[in-house]
Amino acid sequence: HVQLVQSGAEVKKPGASVKVSCKASGYTFTDYDINWVRQATGQGLEWVGWVTPNSGNTGYAQKLQGRVTFTRNTSISTVYMELSSLRSDDTAVYYCARAGAYSGYAEDYWGQGTLVTVSP
Amino acid sequence: DIQMTQSPSSLSASVGDRVTITCRAGQTISSRLNWYQQKPGKAPNLLIYAASSLQSGVPSRFSGSGSGTDFTLTINSLQPEDFAIYYCQQSYIAPQTFGQGTKVEIK
Repeated sequence: HVQLVQSGAEVKKPGASVKVSCKASGYTFTDYDINWVRQATGQGLEWVGWVTPNSGNTGYAQKLQGRVTFTRNTSISTVYMELSSLRSDDTAVYYCARAGAYSGYAEDYWGQGTLVTVSP
Repeated sequence: DIQMTQSPSSLSASVGDRVTITCRAGQTISSRLNWYQQKPGKAPNLLIYAASSLQSGVPSRFSGSGSGTDFTLTINSLQPEDFAIYYCQQSYIAPQTFGQGTKVEIK
């Protein structure tokens, strides 16, 4: 069955960087995009961007452009999100989610989420 | 960015009620509208994609309709496990954008 398993919670200081992993299983990794979505405590959902594992193509939310980078390692079916120059308002749960053409790029499977806390 | 506006922001309903949530896009998005359910401490769960297609495994009491700019999620015969927050999302063009959410509470 399809699974996306993310790395564990992180606590970082302002200005630092964080790298979150998302390991996929149960499907052909290169057949679907991986999207990243974040959610601050008690708030709504915010799209961070996408990566196409097959080509490595990426797209980022404009407000995070220049601070966020997605990479992938197809040999281990894993996608990474790195966010740099962390600020307190980056504190959120970060989700990876699979998106494919069949669903009009809706996110049909989600990781369990990774809490990133930015605190002095 | 395409703004997505949901209404209402919250509602109270009883088990067995029919519930309707609406979502309006700031510009036409064809049928590229998705609905998610989120429960506390959990990742969102896809209910409806492409405006009206029921995701596999989702109960048939959930349905979606609409195209262009106006969309609706309907829950027929609300069940205890349906009390949650519901989000619409457009996947027509990047950046994907979400509505602000509708909290469905027990009356």
